[in-house]
Amino acid sequence: QSALTQPASVSGSPGQSITISCTGTSSDVGGYNYVSWYQQHPGKAPKLMIYGVNKRPSGVSYRFSGSKSGNTASLTISGLRAEDEADYYCSSYTSSSTLWVFGGGTKLTVL
Amino acid sequence: EVQLLESGGGLVQPGGSLRLSCAASGFTLGSDAMSWVRQAPGKGLEWVSAIGSTGDNTYYADSGKGRFTISRDNSKHTLYLQMNSLRAEDTAVYYCAKGWWGGFDSWGQGTLVTVSS
Repeated sequence: QSALTQPASVSGSPGQSITISCTGTSSDVGGYNYVSWYQQHPGKAPKLMIYGVNKRPSGVSYRFSGSKSGNTASLTISGLRAEDEADYYCSSYTSSSTLWVFGGGTKLTVL
Repeated sequence: EVQLLESGGGLVQPGGSLRLSCAASGFTLGSDAMSWVRQAPGKGLEWVSAIGSTGDNTYYADSGKGRFTISRDNSKHTLYLQMNSLRAEDTAVYYCAKGWWGGFDSWGQGTLVTVSS
């Protein structure tokens, strides 16, 4: 069982917006602004999409945005495109002995 | 361009050992913390271990404490993970990743470790 809880799957049509949630506790998501989001296509390495809750690395599309409220972080993808279909993982720093925890991943299907 | 290239994976029997390597290029290895993150077949990501930029500080997930040792040789631009007493549940693709507070901003392609008799 993963430390952070994500929905197993979400779907949307091209052009629509979707939001993926990531729920933790006050020891991780709620306690620190060190939440990151990763995109992983099948057979590929993960790619950093959001860090520091809502910051986009250089080269990542403005269509990707992050936010946090209490113990839940969210990734929103607007203007869905076929190439956005992938697995998405959230991650957070944690005060536990395991410094970094991940969510179980969410499979995004673009209909 | 940052490049990370893992090697050293393979098939090992339960109780055996492996040393993974991660060759870094395109940046100064000593400038950032580095981590190992693994992914069991069909499963999610799991942080395994990290080391500070100078190598003085090391960190481990509970799953690898006492069995795994992370190290780095900045002069050789290489990160290592020594894995001992391997178990079936250690079977995974192991990625090296660069970064810390700003997220893991660069990843290698991964190396597969299979623990089986």
